[in-house]
This record gives sequence, structure tokens and C-alpha cells, in this order.
Amino acid sequence: EMQLLESGGDLVQPGGSLTLSCAASGFTFRNYAMTWVRQAPGKGLEWVSIISGGSGSTYYADSVKGRFTISRDNSKNTLYLQMDSLRAEDTGLYYCAKERDGRSYWFFDLWGRGTLVTVSS
Amino acid sequence: DIVMTQSPDSLAVSLGERATINCKSSQSVLYSSNNKNYLAWYQQKPGQPPKLLIYWASTRESGVPDRFSGSGSGTDFTLTISSLQAEDVAVYYCQHYYSTPFAFGQGTRLDVK
Repeated sequence: EMQLLESGGDLVQPGGSLTLSCAASGFTFRNYAMTWVRQAPGKGLEWVSIISGGSGSTYYADSVKGRFTISRDNSKNTLYLQMDSLRAEDTGLYYCAKERDGRSYWFFDLWGRGTLVTVSS
Repeated sequence: DIVMTQSPDSLAVSLGERATINCKSSQSVLYSSNNKNYLAWYQQKPGQPPKLLIYWASTRESGVPDRFSGSGSGTDFTLTISSLQAEDVAVYYCQHYYSTPFAFGQGTRLDVK
């Protein structure tokens, strides 16, 4: 069964750092682009970042560019999101998701249940 | 950047009736080289992650009931539920994947009248 499991969410002070992880199983991880999408409490979905299967390409939303870094370890079937200079507006549930076809058409068919990041003093 | 706008923000439909949700992109998401619209629809139920319903604007994901259908091209798209069931109560989002940054619509909350 294909599965994604996020971890690493926590309460952090403004200006702090946090690293999220997403452990994948049940599919050939290296063949698929992976993305992070977040959802502020009671709000809609916001795309954050995406990384290609071979890690050659990364893209970011303007709201996180220069502060967040997406990476992956294909030997460990794990996706990461390093988050620095955190702000209150970064608070939310962070989902990782898998592209459906592995052909760089970036819609997402498998989602984790999310990990909660709270930025507050 | 392409902005996605859904309408309405919420709607309530009687069981067995048709529900229609609209999504408009600020520029075309139709890629001329392959004639495909880079538009997906997701369903999110309370306490759950999003679920892919439709991609390429009109292709239903495996396992999605055929009462769900997607239509439209260019900048204007529609998700239709032909006969609303109680389990369809959810928030629905459109997403373009034409170029980065990807964007979701603000969501449409669907309830039973």
C-alpha cells in the first residue's frame, strides 16, 4: 500500500527553524516528484514547494523563497523541508504529496495526513 | 503568476440534486502543444487530506464515482456532481499545474440543504 507519513512539526518561536520529514513507502520513490502543500487553520490549500524525482529541479512559492529548502534522500525514501526564519504566517498543517504519473505533470494522487507547525512566541 | 478563483465560496444542495462549482484562472492553462488543460480538482473532507478527483480538467481519477465530472477549457472550468450524496459534503479545490508557482482556488464548501 502506498503511504506518506509526515513528521517534525512543532511549536517554534518566530525567527526559528524546523525541518519536516515525509517518509514514503509502497512505490518507487525516486521516480516521482514530491511536493509540500500547507493549510493554515481553517483556511485553504497553499502550494509551498516541489522537487523533481532526481532532485535536479526545485521550485518554491514566493512566500517561502529564500527561507525554505526542499530536498530528498532517495536512498531513504524520504522528503524534507528545511524551514528557516519562520514567521507567524507559516503556521499550519503541512502535507507532503506525490505526483501521480512520474511524468512531470504536477497533480497529486497520494497525500500524507500532515504535520502541524505552529510559529508563536 | 496564475490566480485561481472559485465560485461560489459555499453552496447547499438537496440530496439527489446537481451541484456545480466553477473555477476561473487568470490566464489560460491550456497548453497548445498537447491540447491539454493543466487543471485538477480535489475533495477535502473534515480532518482528512485532499483527495484527487479530476485531472486534465475532465479525466476522472480511478475509483472516483461517475457522478463527478469536470469540464471546461482555457480559463473557465466546472466540477459537477450529478446527484449529490451525503458523503459528498466537503470542500472542493481546483489547482492549476500549468507552471510554477502552482495555485489552488480558495475552495468551495458544499453542504446538504
